[in-house]
Amino acid sequence: RKEVEQDPGPFNVPEGATVAFNCTYSNSASQSFFWYRQDCRKEPKLLMSVYSSGNEDGRFTAQLNRASQYISLLIRDSKLSDSATYLCVVNKGGGADGLTFGKGTHLIIQP
Amino acid sequence: GAVVSQHPSWVICKSGTSVKIECRSLDFQATTMFWYRQFPKQSLMLMATSNEGSKATYEQGVEKDKFLINHASLTLSTLTVTSAHPEDSSFYICSARDFQGGRARTDTQYFGPGTRLTVL
Repeated sequence: RKEVEQDPGPFNVPEGATVAFNCTYSNSASQSFFWYRQDCRKEPKLLMSVYSSGNEDGRFTAQLNRASQYISLLIRDSKLSDSATYLCVVNKGGGADGLTFGKGTHLIIQP
Repeated sequence: GAVVSQHPSWVICKSGTSVKIECRSLDFQATTMFWYRQFPKQSLMLMATSNEGSKATYEQGVEKDKFLINHASLTLSTLTVTSAHPEDSSFYICSARDFQGGRARTDTQYFGPGTRLTVL
């Protein structure tokens, strides 16, 4: 089983739509969870951290279910600029701070 | 704040040569930096954890003698790909963890813009 699994997409959605991504992770020792976005041939940029209580940042809402080892991201009122690859990321846990990345979900917002 | 730079942005070299990549934290001190590698259509993979003043910790399957890491100061880590071969062609990205006032912010890693290495 991959350490972090995501549906690679691509997801083609119209501008203004709401879209949701999910990912699962296998390392139960992971303690920190994130969503990053990566534009083509660029470095990943932190979108938001994910907490068990759920958290929201503007149009973005993230949820974490530790029992199921499942993380989600919801984007409301999608914009053209949201087109990117969204990376589900967890830390390695066990005292190690390195990050484990999923392969990403490719999102294309269409006008 | 929290800017990480990498140099060079891209490099093309002949097989057998060594390439050094620099990672700098510009406005904060980083006791820990990380080196990742991303092959086309693949996820970023952690190669090694670089700690200032001590030896780097390498992930399983990463050759420490091939990928030399030096973290001589709180703002600079270098990765040297020795005797590079075409299969080492990849996107190398570093990240730095922001260290503030004696208590590390373990949740915050800032990424450099990456270095694209092509070995002919």
